[in-house]
Order: sequence, then C-alpha cells, then structure tokens
Amino acid sequence: DAMVIQNPRYQVTQFGKPVTLSCSQTLNHNVMYWYQQKSSQAPKLLFHYYDKDFNNEADTPDNFQSRRPNTSFCFLDIRSPGLGDAAMYLCATSRISTGYGEQYFGPGTRLTVT
Amino acid sequence: ILNVEQSPQSLHVQEGDSTNFTCSFPSSNFYALHWYRWETAKSPEALFVMTLNGDEKKKGRISATLNTKEGYSYLYIKGSQPEDSATYLCASPTSNTGKLIFGQGTTLQVKP
Repeated sequence: DAMVIQNPRYQVTQFGKPVTLSCSQTLNHNVMYWYQQKSSQAPKLLFHYYDKDFNNEADTPDNFQSRRPNTSFCFLDIRSPGLGDAAMYLCATSRISTGYGEQYFGPGTRLTVT
Repeated sequence: ILNVEQSPQSLHVQEGDSTNFTCSFPSSNFYALHWYRWETAKSPEALFVMTLNGDEKKKGRISATLNTKEGYSYLYIKGSQPEDSATYLCASPTSNTGKLIFGQGTTLQVKP
C-alpha cells in the first residue's frame, strides 16, 4: 500500500561520519523532492529531480548530495554530518512539476547526530 | 523571498468544537496554495491544492478558502474529533514549479 517509502525511519550517526538516507516510490512519478525540517521549523526544500535532471536550492549546503539511479529510488547523502544537520528528512514525489501538483510524502527519516 | 506564515502555532480544542486556522502568503505572483495534514508517525498527506481566488474546497468536515488578492487561506474543521489531531501545513510555490515554501504548521490537539 505504501507509495513513498523512506528507510530507515530513525538514523543515528556520529559527527563527521557519512550517512545515506533512502527513498523509494511506487507511483512512477517524474519528480522527487528532499526536504529538511528542523525542530519547530517549516520544512525546507533541499533539492529536487525532474526525471534525471537535478535541481539544487541555492542555500543547500555542499555537504548534502543526492543520487537518483532510476525513477523509483532517490538517495540523500550527507558527507560529513554536523550537529546542525540533525533533523527530519522528508522525501516527496509529484506527477507534474508545476505549482499545483500535489506532493506525496514519505513518513520521513529522523536523523540524530551524536 | 516568499514567506508563508501560519497561525496559531498550536491549538487545543475539545471534541465537537469547530476550529479554524490561517495561512498567509505574498499575494503577488501567486500560483497555488497547498494544505497538508501530518499525523504523528505518518506521512504528510495532501488535503487541498487551491489555485483560484475565492475558491472553497471541502473534504468531509474539513474545508478551506482562498483569497489570493489579500494573501490568505483559512482551514476550517467542523466538529473536531480526536483523529483530527495533527499538524496542518500550508505551502505555496515560488514560481509555477513544485518548489514549495512551507509554513511552520499549526499543531491541533483535540481532547476527547
């Protein structure tokens, strides 16, 4: 039944130790998004893919990278996590890339950095 | 920079109460307004995507209105139930793309 799946749901990593979060979808949507939500703040877009075209937000730190090997999967790599990267990471998809395209979210991965 | 604001930040109501909360957004270069409901430990799910000034949408006991000229949307819940307890997020795109700018959300707690 699940349409956008994120693994793991909880991830603990050490300061500076690379970590990868994964997202998969069964919707066959062209567009995939990664959002970061820090405590009590609004979710913030990090980057998105339209098919294989990668679009990085201007203020996304270089520490954050993404890969989309195929339509179904998308990964978020944090090369050297800092304490400030502790957050909920949400993956979302949409069929179209226009402003009125409803987005379908996964349940998120909560990242803790020790 | 597009700024989306929501109020109140949190709300506690009794079962059966009706409630409403606000999302405000810049009225210039408007493309769409999204409402999502995010229950604890679940995925945010879309409630409404609205594009037309004066639009009103309804899903069960939940409805939303949109005023693009003054830059606000209201979400109404009639006869709140404990299962309505969630964070309600609104978002608007910066351009006619899917790049949504979210508000901080309104967290609703409905007490039985």
